[in-house]
Amino acid sequence: NAGVTQTPKFQVLKTGQSMTLQCAQDMNHEYMSWYRQDPGMGLRLIHYSVGAGITDQGEVPNGYNVSRSTTEDFPLRLLSAAPSQTSVYFCASSYSSSANYGYTFGSGTRLTVV
Amino acid sequence: AQSVTQPDIHITVSEGASLELRCNYSYGATPYLFWYVQSPGQGLQLLLKYFSGDTLVQGIKGFEAEFKRSQSSFNLRKPSVHWSDAAEYFCAFLVPSGYSTLTFGKGTMLLVSP
Repeated sequence: NAGVTQTPKFQVLKTGQSMTLQCAQDMNHEYMSWYRQDPGMGLRLIHYSVGAGITDQGEVPNGYNVSRSTTEDFPLRLLSAAPSQTSVYFCASSYSSSANYGYTFGSGTRLTVV
Repeated sequence: AQSVTQPDIHITVSEGASLELRCNYSYGATPYLFWYVQSPGQGLQLLLKYFSGDTLVQGIKGFEAEFKRSQSSFNLRKPSVHWSDAAEYFCAFLVPSGYSTLTFGKGTMLLVSP
């Protein structure tokens, strides 16, 4: 089924561990982004990409790295996990950043850092 | 600074009663505006969006929203709430120029009482 696929759905990490949250879309969308959702904070933008090879920081980029080597994939890397990164992470994609095309969200990755 | 505010953290409505969720934005012009719904443990689903034109927009699941430029508001309404509407609702906006990112409010949790 066409859409945004996030893996894993759940993950527990120890402080200091590294991991990569995967995001893939098969809709040929140029625009992809990562958000984190915390209680009472809504969704906050971590990083986004407007095309392969182009990424930029959002509102809360510290502690996260991204790269975009293909149109389909936009992985989010945590180099040294901290308890403050315990959150639910959502990946979203769009044909462009224009609202006319709409955003498609993945089902999320629930990350716990202990 | 550009922002979107949802003044109500929680709202409880009786089943069958009408609903209005508030959303205010801060931006020098008219942004693109959205309402998303998130059921527990799920991703985000787009309810409706406003770009321009008719200020009353219809969405899915019987929801509608009215854009009021004079009040910088985009409130979500439903005439009769069903128990299945219990969820968290997010207002979001997008600056309609260049590459822009979707900015979310902090959300309103809707509880539906019998």
